[in-house]
Amino acid sequence: NAGVTQTPKFQVLKTGQSMTLQCAQDMNHNSMYWYRQDPGMGLRLIYYSASEGTTDKGEVPNGYNVSRLNKREFSLRLESAAPSQTSVYFCASRSRDHSYEQYFGPGTRLTVT
Amino acid sequence: AQSVTQLDSQVPVFEEAPVELRCNYSSSVSVYLFWYVQYPNQGLQLLLKYLSGSTLVKGINGFEAEFNKSQTSFHLRKPSVHISDTAEYFCAVSPPGSSNTGKLIFGQGTTLQVKP
Repeated sequence: NAGVTQTPKFQVLKTGQSMTLQCAQDMNHNSMYWYRQDPGMGLRLIYYSASEGTTDKGEVPNGYNVSRLNKREFSLRLESAAPSQTSVYFCASRSRDHSYEQYFGPGTRLTVT
Repeated sequence: AQSVTQLDSQVPVFEEAPVELRCNYSSSVSVYLFWYVQYPNQGLQLLLKYLSGSTLVKGINGFEAEFNKSQTSFHLRKPSVHISDTAEYFCAVSPPGSSNTGKLIFGQGTTLQVKP
């Protein structure tokens, strides 16, 4: 049982390049989330998927797109990376058992030069 | 909009001393409250949560938190810290009406530095 996995762990991009961050969970959770973490700002929600087949914007969606590929996988895409997107990205998932706990992946550290 | 404020960005403390990390939230209606811990270069893991019932909540690693509705606070405490408690701690709230989406609003984080 791996929990929430994210790939890659580290990535360096040049401005304007694109990439997709991958996230998968093996806990049969319904909801999945993408956050970014910046110093002094805590975690901010980028996009979420409350259930398979649905996605919604969070607090800071500009410059990102997401795909809920199936119940297990939720990917985050940067179409044209900007230095302001340098951050640590976390994926999380949650079951529907009303425990409300989110389980987090280990993160992807992205640098855009 | 719902907001969460962690009143201290850094808290230095000596080993075996008590510690309190402070958290205030903006809503006066019923919310769910959480404390997460992030060890260096790792993801977040849940320390404890308040959903309902007793206002004193006990979590893992000897931490506890008290829900105070009148002061809209959810402060985290530990009577005696260890070097291994050095980490960043996040307070989070599930806003009213978000039970289906499970969205969380996080505070800015507090870095706990335990010194020998």
